[in-house]
Amino acid sequence: DSGVTQTPKHLITATGQRVTLRCSPRSGDLSVYWYQQSLDQGLQFLIQYYNGEERAKGNILERFSAQQFPDLHSELNLSSLELGDSALYFCASSMGPNQPQHFGDGTRLSIL
Amino acid sequence: AQSVTQLGSHVSVSEGALVLLRCNYSSSVPPYLFWYVQYPNQGLQLLLKYTTGATLVKGINGFEAEFKKSETSFHLTKPSAHMSDAAEYFCAVSDPRDDKIIFGKGTRLHILP
Repeated sequence: DSGVTQTPKHLITATGQRVTLRCSPRSGDLSVYWYQQSLDQGLQFLIQYYNGEERAKGNILERFSAQQFPDLHSELNLSSLELGDSALYFCASSMGPNQPQHFGDGTRLSIL
Repeated sequence: AQSVTQLGSHVSVSEGALVLLRCNYSSSVPPYLFWYVQYPNQGLQLLLKYTTGATLVKGINGFEAEFKKSETSFHLTKPSAHMSDAAEYFCAVSDPRDDKIIFGKGTRLHILP
């Protein structure tokens, strides 16, 4: 058990819809990272927050947004969903810069 | 910019044989290097990391990796494969000046009985 909790585990929705994925980091971790994993693209870094502030952006689409709340949990919002957004979305947390990241078990998003 | 190349998307070894998973990196500064393992339906788990100091790094489950600057490599090895080692393995690199980790595309390790 990594200590990182992601909900829901599975999400099935339709094109054009909007969903919110939630992540609770390990106790004491200030950094939260979001990744997308798909068969064709592999593991892609989306965005990182540190203590409530956005710290780094990766290959995150404009239709996607995220935030980290004062209690350090984070949410990833995906809107105007397309078939290609079907993937595993992982959240990871770490104590700070260059510390090992601890991953949750992911949310599997299926777009029908 | 940093990048990671993992040679071989699939590797098969017999139980009890040597495991060797190859990773080459590109970095403009001395990097931090990581190996992660992903079991089915789970997130990634850190196997080992290299930051500075000793270039041979020992990790969990009997794995180790050696940082070779001259070859820009960080290959993962285990002397004797177990069936439980079947999983996907990711090499990753980060720039110590920032907090972004770049992952390779992964190598799926198959263990043959």
